[in-house]
Amino acid sequence: EPEVTQTPSHQVTQMGQEVILRCVPISNHLYFYWYRQILGQKVEFLVSFYNNEISEKSEIFDDQFSVERPDGSNFTLKIRSTKLEDSAMYFCASSGQLLINYGYTFGSGTRLTVV
Amino acid sequence: DQQVKQNSPSLSVQEGRISILNCDYTNSMFDYFLWYKKYPAEGPTFLISISSIKDKNEDGRFTVFLNKSAKHLSLHIVPSQPGDSAVYFCAANSGAGSYQLTFGKGTKLSVIP
Repeated sequence: EPEVTQTPSHQVTQMGQEVILRCVPISNHLYFYWYRQILGQKVEFLVSFYNNEISEKSEIFDDQFSVERPDGSNFTLKIRSTKLEDSAMYFCASSGQLLINYGYTFGSGTRLTVV
Repeated sequence: DQQVKQNSPSLSVQEGRISILNCDYTNSMFDYFLWYKKYPAEGPTFLISISSIKDKNEDGRFTVFLNKSAKHLSLHIVPSQPGDSAVYFCAANSGAGSYQLTFGKGTKLSVIP
């Protein structure tokens, strides 16, 4: 079964450092997303990406965040200068057009710990 | 700002019995509702969905019911199996070209053998 692959599974970084979280979405999907889940809280939408541009973003997704699809397969989330409150599980997801029938396919996540 | 609420953080059910997970929402613009299951150290997995024009959708052991007037939906799992033990998330989407999902906090289901 097709999978969304995320690397690394766990990233520890110092406050103020830049991090890049990587994702390989399902190859024939057209929409790509990043969500995050702070420990004990709900899964929150960050950004959606379609046709090589951001289609939606939340208030969380400020100027410190950026996304890129540098080639035909990878989808990355960059946090420019990490803060302690950025510590969370970050999930990448992808979907085809029929969201209501198939939902998203999520990756297993990257646990980001900012120290 | 909890547009999607799952008021029961946990639920325990005996194997073979019915599990009922509840979800309430406040945003009347939501058009689609989805249920996800999540095991530890994995991402959420899509289970079943329902459009706001329907009141029921069934897929094997899983049935989702939607009561639009009450802004309430529920997921029924029958019969419950130990492998169903996981955290279940309710999520909603407003349609209209948006693919953003708004999630509830989740309900941890434990199915006791």
